[in-house]
Amino acid sequence: AQSVTQLGSHVSVSEGALVLLRCNYSSSVPPYLFWYVQYPNQGLQLLLKYTSAATLVKGINGFEAEFKKSETSFHLTKPSAHMSDAAEYFCAVSDAGGTSYGKLTFGQGTILTVHP
Amino acid sequence: DTAVSQTPKYLVTQMGNDKSIKCEQNLGHDTMYWYKQDSKKFLKIMFSYNNKELIINETVPNRFSPKSPDKAHLNLHINSLELGDSAVYFCASSQDLGLANTQYFGPGTRLTVL
Repeated sequence: AQSVTQLGSHVSVSEGALVLLRCNYSSSVPPYLFWYVQYPNQGLQLLLKYTSAATLVKGINGFEAEFKKSETSFHLTKPSAHMSDAAEYFCAVSDAGGTSYGKLTFGQGTILTVHP
Repeated sequence: DTAVSQTPKYLVTQMGNDKSIKCEQNLGHDTMYWYKQDSKKFLKIMFSYNNKELIINETVPNRFSPKSPDKAHLNLHINSLELGDSAVYFCASSQDLGLANTQYFGPGTRLTVL
């Protein structure tokens, strides 16, 4: 079965600093990987996804993530944090095979705090 | 024009009661899902439906019964509510069962069982 681990339940950065949110996955077949963002009291919104095309994926709001098969990682980065980036971020995996039928398995989430 | 909508947004009820949460999507998608987010913000799939057919039932107690009257709606009925059912329930939809498809989430329903 697939699984996702997000290292660090809380990440705090200063405005303008680099954002790095870590995600490692476990999957028996090449995965499809997603990053979602959840703002307070809202539903989840897709930031970006990896679907076996380019390993460096660009998403909305200046975020990007790099798929590294050798490290089973899909870390999310943004060069310069903005106050509006404060939210909870979820990494998710959808197996590219078997009988998963589009099931997403989520990591435990990382809360990003941005300080002025 | 909300893509995925849920009602109600908040639901407070007593143990043992029966309640329903409704979900509608206007994206023309074939597949819909219910997720449960617990107090630690952990998200876990409960059910998925494709064209009104149950696809995933993720070992959820049979007190939970999803119903899909048409492919734009997926409702969740919960019988004999328990304290542990308190959570935020999210509905989502995707174009179809494709594994790379984006899932679009509703705003959530916060259920509190007293």
